[in-house]
Amino acid sequence: KAGVTQTPRYLIKTRGQQVTLSCSPISGHRSVSWYQQTPGQGLQFLFEYFSETQRNKGNFPGRFSGRQFSNSRSEMNVSTLELGDSALYLCASSLGPSSVNTEAFFGQGTRLTVV
Amino acid sequence: AQSVTQLDSHVSVSEGTPVLLRCNYSSSYSPSLFWYVQHPNKGLQLLLKYTSAATLVKGINGFEAEFKKSETSFHLTKPSAHMSDAAEYFCVVSVWNQGGKLIFGQGTELSVKP
Repeated sequence: KAGVTQTPRYLIKTRGQQVTLSCSPISGHRSVSWYQQTPGQGLQFLFEYFSETQRNKGNFPGRFSGRQFSNSRSEMNVSTLELGDSALYLCASSLGPSSVNTEAFFGQGTRLTVV
Repeated sequence: AQSVTQLDSHVSVSEGTPVLLRCNYSSSYSPSLFWYVQHPNKGLQLLLKYTSAATLVKGINGFEAEFKKSETSFHLTKPSAHMSDAAEYFCVVSVWNQGGKLIFGQGTELSVKP
């Protein structure tokens, strides 16, 4: 069974540009969550999607957005990139909507560097 | 508000000696707690989880953790470290009233010396 797949693995973008990251969850999983990992802030929750609906959102500016498609694949978009957006972006999938007992499976992440 | 604090940013042990990674949590309600491991340039892998069943939780690769409510702790242990255990470890709490959103500790980097 394939795991969570994130593409691309590495990205280099220039300040002011926008970027789209993709996440394909484990087959049969319908929930996708996104996290940002930086050395200074650690791992922070961005948002969660279940059945194409955003269920939860973290404390990030509106430049960060996402969506989920009918096949459960998810994309996140960051517009007007800033240097501080350089991070490892991790996607996690789970079978159903996240609850306190849900086990999340993580992808290897997309390393975004903004120059 | 719920939170986790990992008490050590870096732990170094010799191969074959015990591992102890410390985590304290703060929660107004009975928490769900997890330990994840991240190897360099890899994603996060679930080691074990506590969800109000047995207080001693056994995970993969010989790791276990004990939930102690009186001490608000969820420390991760392993009797004998292996070189392949070198990685970053995260203690995580699930936010009960926010659909299971995960809150991560700052991480503990484990080094294993030969």
